Amino acid sequence: GESVGLHLPTLSVQEGDNSIINCAYSNSASDYFIWYKQESGKGPQFIIDIRSNMDKRQGQRVTVLLNKTVKHLSLQIAATQPGDSAVYFCAARVNMLTFGGGTRLMVKP
Amino acid sequence: EAQVTQNPRYLITVTGKKLTVTCSQNMNHEYMSWYRQDPGLGLRQIYYSMNVEVTDKGDVPEGYKVSRKEKRNFPLILESPSPNQTSLYFCASSLGRLQETQYFGPGTRLLVL
Repeated sequence: GESVGLHLPTLSVQEGDNSIINCAYSNSASDYFIWYKQESGKGPQFIIDIRSNMDKRQGQRVTVLLNKTVKHLSLQIAATQPGDSAVYFCAARVNMLTFGGGTRLMVKP
Repeated sequence: EAQVTQNPRYLITVTGKKLTVTCSQNMNHEYMSWYRQDPGLGLRQIYYSMNVEVTDKGDVPEGYKVSRKEKRNFPLILESPSPNQTSLYFCASSLGRLQETQYFGPGTRLLVL
């Protein structure tokens, strides 16, 4: 199977700074990874994904880095804004997606 | 607008009283699934369906049933709810069974007394 864990339950950053949220997975056979954002009272929202044959992928203000050697995944958010405040969690796939518990990002004005 | 809808959004019930949570998607997705979300445990899959009349158990199926009679609908049935099924439930859909770019519904918060 697969287990996925996030390194910090809460991350507090200053508005305008960059945020880095980390995630570890256990199964080296994981071939696909997703980051989701979940705002209070809403369902998870897809942010960005990456396949195991890549080590970096960029979106709008977000970058996902994959280090297969240490089975580590990170989400970088550039110029963090108040609207980025939410719970972020990653998921890894070995046949089926397994989700991590989530890191709450708090943005200080 | 592409979306997954769930009803009801909030539900309080009593132990043993059968209930159904509906889920519908308008994206013609083949794959649909149900998750429950509990503090500290992340999202755990209850059941999934790869297409009409094709359903299978996820990680925590006990106490739940599903059906997939139409492509767009995937109801979750609790025949005899118990307090340990108090949770936040999400329905999700994706184009293919690989669950890539999965869309989630807004969630149903269930309290079983």
